Amino acid sequence: QKEVEQNSGPLSVPEGAIASLNCTYSDRVSQSFFWYRQYSGKSPELIMSIYSNGDKEDGRFTAQLNKASQYVSLLIRDSQPSDSATYLCAVSFTGNQFYFGTGTSLTVIP
Amino acid sequence: NAGVTQTPKFQVLKTGQSMTLQCAQDMNHNSMYWYRQDPGMGLRLIYYSASEGTTDKGEVPNGYNVSRLNKREFSLRLESAAPSQTSVYFCASRPPEGWYEKLFFGSGTQLSVL
Repeated sequence: QKEVEQNSGPLSVPEGAIASLNCTYSDRVSQSFFWYRQYSGKSPELIMSIYSNGDKEDGRFTAQLNKASQYVSLLIRDSQPSDSATYLCAVSFTGNQFYFGTGTSLTVIP
Repeated sequence: NAGVTQTPKFQVLKTGQSMTLQCAQDMNHNSMYWYRQDPGMGLRLIYYSASEGTTDKGEVPNGYNVSRLNKREFSLRLESAAPSQTSVYFCASRPPEGWYEKLFFGSGTQLSVL
């Protein structure tokens, strides 16, 4: 079993819609949770981090964490064509281990 | 500050050849990581180093060796390259301040093994 699992997609949403990305992780002791965005041919870039249960909002992005269900999600409101990318969920476990999911490819259709 | 620097950016090898991918960071980070990225596979952890002098295996360590030469440098060696090691390799580092810190990535190395 992988440490971090994501639906690989692809996910397509129309411009202006809400995109919902999901991620589950193993039952190891986890510390922090991240969402990275990666454009084709580029390095991943951090867009959100979350550490405690509940929601965290930053502009059009909302991260949600439910540790009891081992579940973390990312909502992108008012999706724009520039949001088209691969979104990677990452989890930091104790011992400084940092694992990524397989990524979800998002396409926003103008 | 250059951040995380990886060399080379591109490399083509023949099966059985060896090579070392270099990574250096100038941010005084303790932890460093090597990942590989294949289509549809996300980033898979090869090895990581929590501090100078220590290294640990990640998800896919077979076929690779690493050296944490000093605090700045963390190299990845392929002793006998195989076509299955064709991939994009990313080095990353992480600040020592706490468990909440993100990774900082290099620009990647595109490796092809023929």
